[in-house]
Amino acid sequence: GQNIDQPTEMTATEGAIVQINCTYQTSGFNGLFWYQQHAGEAPTFLSYNVLDGLEEKGRFSSFLSRSKGYSYLLLKELQMKDSASYLCAVLDSNYQLIWGAGTKLIIKP
Amino acid sequence: DTGVSQDPRHKITKRGQNVTFRCDPISEHNRLYWYRQTLGQGPEFLTYFQNEAQLEKSRLLSDRFSAERPKGSFSTLEIQRTEQGDSAMYLCASSLGQGQSGYTFGSGTRLTVV
Repeated sequence: GQNIDQPTEMTATEGAIVQINCTYQTSGFNGLFWYQQHAGEAPTFLSYNVLDGLEEKGRFSSFLSRSKGYSYLLLKELQMKDSASYLCAVLDSNYQLIWGAGTKLIIKP
Repeated sequence: DTGVSQDPRHKITKRGQNVTFRCDPISEHNRLYWYRQTLGQGPEFLTYFQNEAQLEKSRLLSDRFSAERPKGSFSTLEIQRTEQGDSAMYLCASSLGQGQSGYTFGSGTRLTVV
């Protein structure tokens, strides 16, 4: 079966750094996405990795290791507005997005 | 183009009634997806269209659910004889090509069945 695992909830302090991990087992791989979703709103695109390595985009970075079936999202200089759920999703061999359940990130002052 | 639009934003209906939701994708996007999401979970795939063709339906989609995308533009999702278990956020997304550029989501329709 296809499976994507990420922690259910994480807590971090404003101004700090947090790393959200994602491991996956899917039928084929055509890239991995990270989405941010605030409560009651639609997911919004953060990043896409298809090759191994680190992609940096401002305060957010995403890393991929295809051999390990592993990715992480790194958030730096945390702000209160970063409190949200972060969803990991893999584009499988049929170009279908397989979603994790999301990690709820709580930022404390 | 203002992105993916969904209508209505909220729908409260009595059990047993039929409801219909509409999604207007980004005009250049050829693929359109319907997802269902409940609290604390990731989106669950329901169905998707490439242009006007419905290419895949999830096993989750019972006979009470039907989706259309006439002329490959907007799409509708109908739920017949709603049940309380149908209460969820229904998300529509669209993508260009096979989705490597990411999916753009609408704001969703929150359905409450009472």
